[in-house]
Amino acid sequence: EVQLVQSGAEVKKPGESLKISCKGSGYSFTSYWIGWVRQMPGKGLEWMGIIYPGDSDTRYSPSFQGQVTISADKSISTAYLQWSSLKASDTAMYYCVRLRSGGIAVDSFDYWGQGTLVTVSS
Amino acid sequence: DIQLTQSPSFLSASVGDRVTITCRASQGISSYLAWYQQKPGKAPKLLIYAASTLQSGVPSRFSGSGSGTEFTLTISSLQPEDFATYYCQQLNSYPLFTFGPGTKVDIK
Repeated sequence: EVQLVQSGAEVKKPGESLKISCKGSGYSFTSYWIGWVRQMPGKGLEWMGIIYPGDSDTRYSPSFQGQVTISADKSISTAYLQWSSLKASDTAMYYCVRLRSGGIAVDSFDYWGQGTLVTVSS
Repeated sequence: DIQLTQSPSFLSASVGDRVTITCRASQGISSYLAWYQQKPGKAPKLLIYAASTLQSGVPSRFSGSGSGTEFTLTISSLQPEDFATYYCQQLNSYPLFTFGPGTKVDIK
């Protein structure tokens, strides 16, 4: 069974750093892109970026480039999303997702983690 | 960048109703469109990919159609568990994936 299990909720202060994780199981972790999606309170879904754990090729949405860092450790089938200096506006639920390719093109985000709630408040 | 709009943004319906949600893209995206369902406090769930292909395990009352710039998600007979928010997503402009703003389906 494919599973993406994310780390637990975090409460941080503005200016602090944070790294949240997403562990994949039940499939070949190095053969699928993993992505991150933000959902701010009461709002819609925003795609942040993706990483290919096989070679750590990473792509970012222009809206999030320079604001976050996506990484992966294929030896433990885990992807990460990190901030060096959090802002109150980073308060949101963050989901990791597996990207499925239909042939050569990505056609969906077929599995989702349970979400990690990040709260940034002084 | 490709933008997606959804209509309506909110709809109120009864159990048994036929419900249709429309997603429009600002430029052609072929059939690179997916639909997701999100219930309160839960992660989104993939319903349909490639505009019209039902994800494994999704009830057949859900269907998708369209190509190019206009797409629809139809629920043939609304069930109590279908009250949720529905999002479309374009995957044509890799890797700039975009979600629509969502349509909330509520109980009348």
